Amino acid sequence: QVQLVESGGGLVKPGGSLRLSCAASGFTFSDYYMSWIRQAPGKGLEWVSYISSSSSYTNYADSVKGRFTISRDNAKNSLYLQMNSLRAEDTAVYYCAGSGWPQIDAFDIWGQGTMVTVSS
Amino acid sequence: QSALTQPRSVSGSPGQSVTISCTGTSSDVGGYNYVSWYQQHPGKAPKLMIYDVSKRPSGVPDRFSGSKSGNTASLTISGLQAEDEADYYCCSYAGSYTFVFGGGTKLTVL
Repeated sequence: QVQLVESGGGLVKPGGSLRLSCAASGFTFSDYYMSWIRQAPGKGLEWVSYISSSSSYTNYADSVKGRFTISRDNAKNSLYLQMNSLRAEDTAVYYCAGSGWPQIDAFDIWGQGTMVTVSS
Repeated sequence: QSALTQPRSVSGSPGQSVTISCTGTSSDVGGYNYVSWYQQHPGKAPKLMIYDVSKRPSGVPDRFSGSKSGNTASLTISGLQAEDEADYYCCSYAGSYTFVFGGGTKLTVL
């Protein structure tokens, strides 16, 4: 079945780094635009980053620009988020989400999320 | 990249209709017909309910409908059911491959 499975979350100290992964299955990953979206504990959703299907285009929320890098490997059906210079305010559940035709400007496939905690 | 404005909570009785508003600016909601809505039950991942302002993905009941006027989008749920109780988020494309979410609305079915 259609599935996204995130991994790589955990506890990291402020200033540290973490790399999240998202494994896709059950659909043609290379046809999908992908995003990372996060949700701080008890808070709302925040879009973090976007990457086009061929990696030609990427963009980031101002809150993470210059610290986070999104990438993908279509041969491995995988999406990644390299997170550097982590701050306490980056603590959240991180979801990977896919946007496919015709709803290419919406997120129609979601993973279950992986928790990132930034604390000393 | 300021969050879209949603009411913190709305409520309705079973069978009634409720509308959730989502207010942005001409740079997001008002500038594009790319507003989407998501339902999130506690501890679960969000689910797409509406895309492109008013389109429903397959499998979403037609009790859910969306609209937009100017810088404000709306989600209407008619014939409220107990299982509709959840948090609802709007989201808009904001240009240059960026998106912005609303703060979320908690729907209580009385």
